[in-house]
Amino acid sequence: QSALTQPASVSGSPGQSITISCTGTSSDVGAYNYVSWYQQHPGKAPKLMIYDVTNRPSGVSNRFSGSKSGNTASLTISGLQAEDEADYYCSSYTSSHSWVFGGGTKLTVL
Amino acid sequence: QVQLVQSGAEVKKPGASVKVSCNTSGYTFTSYYMHWVRQAPGQGLEWMGIINPSGGSTTYAQKFQGRVSMTRDTSTSTVYLELRSLRSEDTAVYYCVRDSSQHAFDMWGQGTVVTVSS
Repeated sequence: QSALTQPASVSGSPGQSITISCTGTSSDVGAYNYVSWYQQHPGKAPKLMIYDVTNRPSGVSNRFSGSKSGNTASLTISGLQAEDEADYYCSSYTSSHSWVFGGGTKLTVL
Repeated sequence: QVQLVQSGAEVKKPGASVKVSCNTSGYTFTSYYMHWVRQAPGQGLEWMGIINPSGGSTTYAQKFQGRVSMTRDTSTSTVYLELRSLRSEDTAVYYCVRDSSQHAFDMWGQGTVVTVSS
């Protein structure tokens, strides 16, 4: 199972919006609405930010939103804040009854 | 509150085995599947497999088939990861992660550093 494809890095200024893409195949991202997104700060465990493509767990800011079109999912962060600077990973359930992650995207808040 | 507490750091020689534990509390252990995910230094996340704490059934990533075992002890609400025939490329932080029941990883252990070096 190949890793999902994410951009290595994205950046934005405080207050702006950014979008991180996550491209898979018809066997994973395109097959199920089981895409999730994780935020990881240096030296910390990842944190669930979005599940089932669009849903936010309790306590996650509504500045974070998710979407999907075909084999590509996206995470949008609006009103960028300094504390959003982190690595972001997407994940998808697959038709092989396994899970796969994206390679990760480093978000820099300028 | 939900807690996943993992065992401490390990240093192993190539060819050896390592067993990492993950003790859970704050929820019904048998009601949620548990994953293991690893992260090599400076690298991304890698899914290793999943165990059903209720019946003990497992599914492993193809990459680790034959080299990995995931088990559980319902009496102590603990899951275990054993990785055999270690090589330097297995140096990583290993996380136990609860499945949210929506095919997502909702609660993460603190991670266990495994270093493989001669």
